[in-house]
Amino acid sequence: DTEVTQTPKHLVMGMTNKKSLKCEQHMGHRAMYWYKQKAKKPPELMFVYSYEKLSINESVPSRFSPECPNSSLLNLHLHALQPEDSALYLCASSHVPGGTGRYEQYFGPGTRLTVT
Amino acid sequence: GDSVTQMEGPVTLSEEAFLTINCTYTATGYPSLFWYVQYPGEGLQLLLKATKADDKGSNKGFEATYRKETTSFHLEKGSVQVSDSAVYFCALSNTGNQFYFGTGTSLTVIP
Repeated sequence: DTEVTQTPKHLVMGMTNKKSLKCEQHMGHRAMYWYKQKAKKPPELMFVYSYEKLSINESVPSRFSPECPNSSLLNLHLHALQPEDSALYLCASSHVPGGTGRYEQYFGPGTRLTVT
Repeated sequence: GDSVTQMEGPVTLSEEAFLTINCTYTATGYPSLFWYVQYPGEGLQLLLKATKADDKGSNKGFEATYRKETTSFHLEKGSVQVSDSAVYFCALSNTGNQFYFGTGTSLTVIP
């Protein structure tokens, strides 16, 4: 099974709302990622978790707050977003690279977020 | 730093035409190379990969060969179908497994 699931599929929120995006995988991967993708652009890395610990934060504004409660789950908490945050948010997972290991990432279908 | 350069799109082909999407990379060491495909409204799907020089990745009729001498990983398919219409991303992964994506190439196949 190479599936990464994400919920919800679509989300519309106001600038004062608080919402969360969820991601789940059961491939035994211990690295999980959040990406943001704007239309007609490649994904941009936001956060990386390795063994449930945050290892990379690509200078993402604090209105995005990631959480990795266990090895299968990844959340992205959203608060006080701006209209320019509207995008497709993708979750991915992979084995944790070690030594010369460079592993493919498996992506979920994404959450289409619209901030009004 | 590491980077991927992908041919500009969009690309429009007739069904059964030959497809080439060019991808070149800049990287230190020995990166792994990937092609991902994104269908409308979906996430990225791994199409194929190659982990060392001269490796050929293949899947669903698509092929790409890791050429270290020309730092290239061009995607090819002998006969495209309407269902191949999508955006294709070339990517590399180097130490630390950080991914570097190309800008993407939109392919439309017309019947």
